[in-house]
Amino acid sequence: TQLLEQSPQFLSIQEGENLTVYCNSSSVFSSLQWYRQEPGEGPVLLVTVVTGGEVKKLKRLTFQFGDARKDSSLHITAAQPGDTGLYLCAGGANDYKLSFGAGTTVTVRA
Amino acid sequence: NAGVTQTPKFQVLKTGQSMTLQCAQDMNHNSMYWYRQDPGMGLRLIYYSASEGTTDKGEVPNGYNVSRLNKREFSLRLESAAPSQTSVYFCASIYRPLNTEAFFGQGTRLTVV
Repeated sequence: TQLLEQSPQFLSIQEGENLTVYCNSSSVFSSLQWYRQEPGEGPVLLVTVVTGGEVKKLKRLTFQFGDARKDSSLHITAAQPGDTGLYLCAGGANDYKLSFGAGTTVTVRA
Repeated sequence: NAGVTQTPKFQVLKTGQSMTLQCAQDMNHNSMYWYRQDPGMGLRLIYYSASEGTTDKGEVPNGYNVSRLNKREFSLRLESAAPSQTSVYFCASIYRPLNTEAFFGQGTRLTVV
């Protein structure tokens, strides 16, 4: 059982549609991060959320941290084929132990 | 600026053989990590080193050992490789504290036959 549960595991949508990816845990985190990974590469950080209830926007991506700091969501508006990739959430069980969810594979069809 | 460098990029081992995966970072980061990535499993933490001179077990440490050789280098050793250790291995480093960005290497694709 992973500390961070992501859903859905796979998501395939048409260009222009919206999508939401969820990251849930029974543990409280001081912060949560979202990474994106492309084939053959290591993950790259998209955002870090720190405060409960925080909402951060990165162009068409909106990230939210739950009020209780146990969950987070990533929403993409008007998805484009360039958004295709593996999206991973990550959080620390302690100050140094960084754990990842299983990831959501997003495919945006042109 | 190299960032995080892993060697080798690819490796094929026979069951029972041993090998060491090397990782080096040039960003003066304090904390380093080893993960394995399998289909549908995301990244699972094998071992981590919060700072030079310390190492701790992650979620899946069995069958592995690590050495934090100095601040720059963190190696992962498989003493007796098993087919279940076929995976892609990633090394990462973080400055400190935890909510700063983790930087990853390009990965090592290991196949144990």
